Amino acid sequence: DAKTTQPPSMDCAEGRAANLPCNHSTISGNEYVYWYRQIHSQGPQYIIHGLKNNETNEMASLIITEDRKSSTLILPHATLRDTAVYYCIVRTLNQAGTALIFGKGTTLSVSS
Amino acid sequence: GAGVSQSPRYKVAKRGQDVALRCDPISGHVSLFWYQQALGQGPEFLTYFQNEAQLDKSGLPSDRFFAERPEGSVSTLKIQRTQQEDSAVYLCASSPIEGALYETQYFGPGTRLLVL
Repeated sequence: DAKTTQPPSMDCAEGRAANLPCNHSTISGNEYVYWYRQIHSQGPQYIIHGLKNNETNEMASLIITEDRKSSTLILPHATLRDTAVYYCIVRTLNQAGTALIFGKGTTLSVSS
Repeated sequence: GAGVSQSPRYKVAKRGQDVALRCDPISGHVSLFWYQQALGQGPEFLTYFQNEAQLDKSGLPSDRFFAERPEGSVSTLKIQRTQQEDSAVYLCASSPIEGALYETQYFGPGTRLLVL
């Protein structure tokens, strides 16, 4: 799986949008971008994934650049409960049963 | 519905002691993963089961680590003769679909192991 690069930490004011960047310059054409987050003392939680089109669900939006070398996870209205470590992961298509490879992620701190 | 559960949530062991960590995956989930998470790091893969078959154990750090899932549901991770470097959070994850184009892994809360 391709390596990803994320900033170690970010701050965000409550109610504002949190934009978390991820670089994956060596991504292959059959690799998806996944985002998970881990709230303190909990296991990681799936957020969203995408291949090349922008995606949105009830938790977040994922914007993938046209060359697919980077992406941004957007939490449109961050709350205190969004404080967590956010992991960007790339995985090959049709790779069920293969482990997720986590980096160190980005620690997002949301403050009031 | 019920998520992935793990027990115990916390375990303190003396160096050299054997420990057993339990994972109850979401009912019907085919795939089950164990990860180890050291302090300040992301989770790292240990082993993978598809039903009762252990298909990948390449991440187990030594032969002191052993995992089983005899009936294809509950899994146990056993660590023999624990060492201080085994102190970590042990996470279990399950996913529902075998051979899917993509899969979402659902994680339990983890077991925090401290070896003294």
